[in-house]
This record gives sequence, C-alpha cells and structure tokens, in this order.
Amino acid sequence: EDKVVQSPLSLVVHEGDTVTLNCSYEVTNFRSLLWYKQEKKAPTFLFMLTSSGIEKKSGRLSSILDKKELFSILNITATQTGDSAIYLCAAIDNYGQNFVFGPGTRLSVLP
Amino acid sequence: EAGVAQSPRYKIIEKRQSVAFWCNPISGHATLYWYQQILGQGPKLLIQFQNNGVVDDSQLPKDRFSAERLKGVDSTLKIQPAKLEDSAVYLCASSPYYNEQFFGPGTRLTVL
Repeated sequence: EDKVVQSPLSLVVHEGDTVTLNCSYEVTNFRSLLWYKQEKKAPTFLFMLTSSGIEKKSGRLSSILDKKELFSILNITATQTGDSAIYLCAAIDNYGQNFVFGPGTRLSVLP
Repeated sequence: EAGVAQSPRYKIIEKRQSVAFWCNPISGHATLYWYQQILGQGPKLLIQFQNNGVVDDSQLPKDRFSAERLKGVDSTLKIQPAKLEDSAVYLCASSPYYNEQFFGPGTRLTVL
C-alpha cells in the first residue's frame, strides 16, 4: 500500500531557529513529491520536486529530494512566527492517479 | 486569476441526514480532486476527475458518498446518510496537469 510518512509530527522552536522537516514515501511508479503549507485554511503550494539531488529554494525555505533513499527534507532557516503551520508533503505517481498525503508536521514558532 | 470556490464554508447536520458540497475549479483546469481532511491528519483523496470522467475513486465510501462533475466544470460531493465519523473538512482542488494543485477554502462539516 502506498504511504507517505512525515517526522516529526510536531515541533516547537523559537524565532531564529533553523528546522528540518522530513518526508519519506513508498509510492508505486513515483514521479514527484510536493510540499504544502497549511495554516487555518486550505494547503498552499510550496515546492514540487521531481529530480533527485536538486535543491529548490524560495526565500528562507529550501527542499531537496533523494529518490534513492525515498525521502525529502524541507528546511526553514531563521524561522519566524509566521512560519507556524502544518507542513504537508504529498507524493504523486507517473500517471497522476495516485496522490498520497502524509499526516503533516505541525510547526510552532515561538517569539 | 480567481481561485477554487467552495460552498458552503460550514455545515452542521445530524447523523443520518444528507448533505451536499459544491466546488467550482479554476477556469481551464481539467483535473478536479475532492479530499477529506480529518482533524490532525493529512488530506485523504476521495475522488479525482479528469474533465467529467472519474480517474480514481478507490477511497470513496460508495455506500454513502457520491460525486459528479457535470460538463467537466463544477462538481458536487454528496453524503447520504451522514455518520458521526464524516465530520471533517472537505477540500476541493483543481490542477491544469497532474502536478501542482490549487485548493479551495474547504467546507467544514460537523455531524452531530
């Protein structure tokens, strides 16, 4: 059965800290992994990773995919209180017919 | 560009009642998804449409849930009859390809 696992499930840090969120997957005919940020509403898209070893960056956020070890990490540097949210990763297969979300990591950034 | 629209935003019903949710995807997006997100969990795919055809409904509880996407645009998701465990946020998302998804605001359903 296809699955996506995230760790930690919950994380509390202080402003300025750097955090690393983990996502591992087992998806048949895997194609891409996506990261989303979910606050008190629907998830918003952060990154899509298809190629292994190529880092994607957006401001203080960066992410990379390892297709050999079947995992991805999301890094957030110099965290701010506005980064507090649930971070979801999702895996999609080659045919676009299997879109599996992980349980999410709840990040709380304290002032 | 207008986003994905959903209605209603909130719904409270009693168990065994029926409820319907509506979704209007971003114009031109061929793929539409319905997800169920229970508090504390990631979204679970219920059904995926490509235009007006069903691509994947393997996790849709078909004894009580149904969905349609007439004319390949708007979609409705119905629950009949509702159970307590159906309390969740129902998210609709659309995508121009099988890649990035754009989510609507969701409908929060409470079944009493």
